[in-house]
Amino acid sequence: AQRVTQPEKLLSVFKGAPVELKCNYSYSGSPELFWYVQYSRQRLQLLLRHISRESIKGFTADLNKGETSFHLKKPFAQEEDSAMYYCALSGRQYSSASKIIFGSGTRLSIRP
Amino acid sequence: ETGVTQTPRHLVMGMTNKKSLKCEQHLGHNAMYWYKQSAKKPLELMFVYSLEERVENNSVPSRFSPECPNSSHLFLHLHTLQPEDSALYLCASSQTGTSGGWDTQYFGPGTRLTVL
Repeated sequence: AQRVTQPEKLLSVFKGAPVELKCNYSYSGSPELFWYVQYSRQRLQLLLRHISRESIKGFTADLNKGETSFHLKKPFAQEEDSAMYYCALSGRQYSSASKIIFGSGTRLSIRP
Repeated sequence: ETGVTQTPRHLVMGMTNKKSLKCEQHLGHNAMYWYKQSAKKPLELMFVYSLEERVENNSVPSRFSPECPNSSHLFLHLHTLQPEDSALYLCASSQTGTSGGWDTQYFGPGTRLTVL
């Protein structure tokens, strides 16, 4: 079954400390993995996707097919990183539209 | 207005009411989605429309009825809802390619629905 697991509901770290938000997935094919972010009073938006191999706002995520993980990392947390983070998976299910599955989310809180 | 818009932003309805949620995307995308976001569950995909044809239902109860008259507009008609249907309903759009896309979802701000 397709599944995205984010084991931590809440993660609290001090400003300047490293951050790692965990994401594990279960999928039989070749998925595409995403991280979406929702800042306070803002809409849900894409942070990064594994296929782009980019660093956005200092965040990176590497797809580890052996461990079926896509953890989100940042070496030095900033207060503005406080938000809700969702890991998501999209699979080759349809010939047209994407089917995307979201994890339950992790709330990241950066302490000053 | 740019991006994905949703109206109303807040809705309170009784269990016997009929109401509709509206979504409009100004991005020229060819696929639109309805999601349900509640406190106790992950974001749940409800419906997918691609090129105005519904391709995914996800076993949503019939008291939710989607309508996609064109590629820019999406509605969710609500009828005899239950209190457990209270949630944030998000609309999203994406542009899919002919090879099958797992494309970036652009979300609207959501409609906060409360069923009394």
